[in-house]
Amino acid sequence: QIHLVQSGGELKNPGASVRVSCTVSGYNFSVYLMAWMRQVPGQGLQWLGSISAASGQKFYTQTFQSRLTLTTDPSTNTAFMELQSLTVDDTAVFYCARDRGVRGEFDHWGQGTLVTVSS
Amino acid sequence: EIVLTQSPATLSLSPGERATLSCRASQSVSDYLAWYQQKPGQAPRLLISRASNRATGIPARFSGSGSETDFTLTISSLEPEDFAVYYCQERRHWPSGTFGGGTKVEIK
Repeated sequence: QIHLVQSGGELKNPGASVRVSCTVSGYNFSVYLMAWMRQVPGQGLQWLGSISAASGQKFYTQTFQSRLTLTTDPSTNTAFMELQSLTVDDTAVFYCARDRGVRGEFDHWGQGTLVTVSS
Repeated sequence: EIVLTQSPATLSLSPGERATLSCRASQSVSDYLAWYQQKPGQAPRLLISRASNRATGIPARFSGSGSETDFTLTISSLEPEDFAVYYCQERRHWPSGTFGGGTKVEIK
């Protein structure tokens, strides 16, 4: 069975950075991409970016390109999302999801990580 | 930038009724359109890929149709567990993974 398990909730001050992890099991981590999404409370889903676990090639949405960093550690089957310069508007649930690649869908999701930004 | 517009924003129906959800793209996405279901406090779940292909384990009451710019998700007979928010997503313009704004299916 495929599982994506994310790290726990975070409370951050404005201006800080946050790093969320996503550890997978049940499939070959290096074959797929990993996508990351943000969902502000009460709002819809926003794709932030995707990263190839095999090559490390990264794709970012333009809005977050300057402060978003996606990485992977194939030795631990873990993907990471780091978001810098947090503002209160970044308070959201962040999800990882297996990205099936070119024009593919997101077929397995992590449980989500709530990041709260507050002074 | 492509925009996906979902309608209606809210659909109020009773169990057993048929639900028809729409997703309209601002430009052609061919058939690279997926549908997801999200229940409160849960992660989204893939329902449909490539406009009409049900994902593994998805009941047959869920069906998808459409191409280019106009897509429909149909739930033939609503079960109590189907009341949720539904999102469409396009991947024609990969690697971008734009989502629609969502349709909430609520109990009437």
